Amino acid sequence: QKEVEQDPGPLSVPEGAIVSLNCTYSNSAFQYFMWYRQYSRKGPELLMYTYSSGNKEDGRFTAQVDKSSKYISLFIRDSQPSDSATYLCAMQSQGAQKLVFGQGTRLTINP
Amino acid sequence: EAQVTQNPRYLITVTGKKLTVTCSQNMNHEYMSWYRQDPGLGLRQIYYSMNVEVTDKGDVPEGYKVSRKEKRNFPLILESPSPNQTSLYFCASSGGRAGNTIYFGEGSWLTVV
Repeated sequence: QKEVEQDPGPLSVPEGAIVSLNCTYSNSAFQYFMWYRQYSRKGPELLMYTYSSGNKEDGRFTAQVDKSSKYISLFIRDSQPSDSATYLCAMQSQGAQKLVFGQGTRLTINP
Repeated sequence: EAQVTQNPRYLITVTGKKLTVTCSQNMNHEYMSWYRQDPGLGLRQIYYSMNVEVTDKGDVPEGYKVSRKEKRNFPLILESPSPNQTSLYFCASSGGRAGNTIYFGEGSWLTVV
């Protein structure tokens, strides 16, 4: 079993829809939870970062972490065609530098 | 501007011909690492370095070497490339503590024929 599981999609939704992306994990030592966005032929860039459990909001993006269920989510409101990308969840233990990534979900927002 | 720069961005090479992918960062970061990205497998860490002259294996180090002689540079060396090393490679750097933002380069597409 992989440490981090993420549905690779692809996921295709109409412009303006609310998008929900999810990851589950098995390692209870993970304390830092991130979402990276990767456009085609580009490197991943940090989109959202959460420490431990809870919610974090940044504009149209909301990240949620439920450590009791080992489940994290990213919500995108009022989705735009420019949000079309691959979204990767990533996790990190306290004191560790290594990121453990999910497979990534390829998202397309259709105008 | 904070940058992680990789070269070459695209390379086709033949089996057994040694190659080096360079990586340089301008943020004075202590921590640098290399990942490969493959369909269905996501990003996997190859090697990492906590500081100058300190390197260690990641999850998939076989067939790769690294060196860290200067803080800003962290080259990835394929001594004898094989077709199973055809992949998209990313260099990354961060400040050296858990929770620090990790910055990625633009990627290097490598094809070994």
